[in-house]
Amino acid sequence: DIQLTQSPSFLSASVGDRVTITCRASQGISSYLAWYQQKPGKAPKLLIYAASTLQSGVPSRFSGSGSGTEFTLTISSLQPEDFATYYCQQLNRRWTFGQGTKVEIK
Amino acid sequence: EVQLVESGGGLVQPGGSLRLSCAASGFTFSSYSMNWVRQAPGKGLEWVSYISSSSSTIYYADSVKGRFTISRDNAKNSLYLQMNSLRAEDTAVYYCARDHRIAAAGTVDYWGQGTLVTVSS
Repeated sequence: DIQLTQSPSFLSASVGDRVTITCRASQGISSYLAWYQQKPGKAPKLLIYAASTLQSGVPSRFSGSGSGTEFTLTISSLQPEDFATYYCQQLNRRWTFGQGTKVEIK
Repeated sequence: EVQLVESGGGLVQPGGSLRLSCAASGFTFSSYSMNWVRQAPGKGLEWVSYISSSSSTIYYADSVKGRFTISRDNAKNSLYLQMNSLRAEDTAVYYCARDHRIAAAGTVDYWGQGTLVTVSS
């Protein structure tokens, strides 16, 4: 199975900060990667698909990049509503999620 | 507005069975593939099962293969998950999830609110 490793697992940041989360795949997955945001007690929300395509309605401060085995999610200027847990998901084979990155207020 | 409403969760003993349902509205259900995704308490997300729009293609995670069965009724705009031989490790919130029309299969663009399944004696 393809393993996804997110780093860091926990991130403390301030409003206005630029935040980058990395997702590494144990083998190449081309651009078959999505990013989700989840707030406590809520269902996840799709942010990015195909590694870099912004889902409709998602603010442009979110962006994704990468291909193969290394991917990043960047939030250009962190807003109060962005404090949440973020997951990557590979869709190449036997779909799996990363372990999550929790973004908290510094 | 897209709505996915799960039901059928609850407390069940190990080895028991449960059937989850998901009522879909606000979109043409028969045109979309669907998924079940689960999340154990305090843990991350785990994809469980996928069914194509016509039910012609079905996938399962290894952890549930042979025990869970996904199905759908397009006439009733409903998705189902029959869960047999339940184990403690199946305890989770189960989400009904719509597959994205453009992105790779398994990409979810809408999620239900989830239903909690607890497997315990």
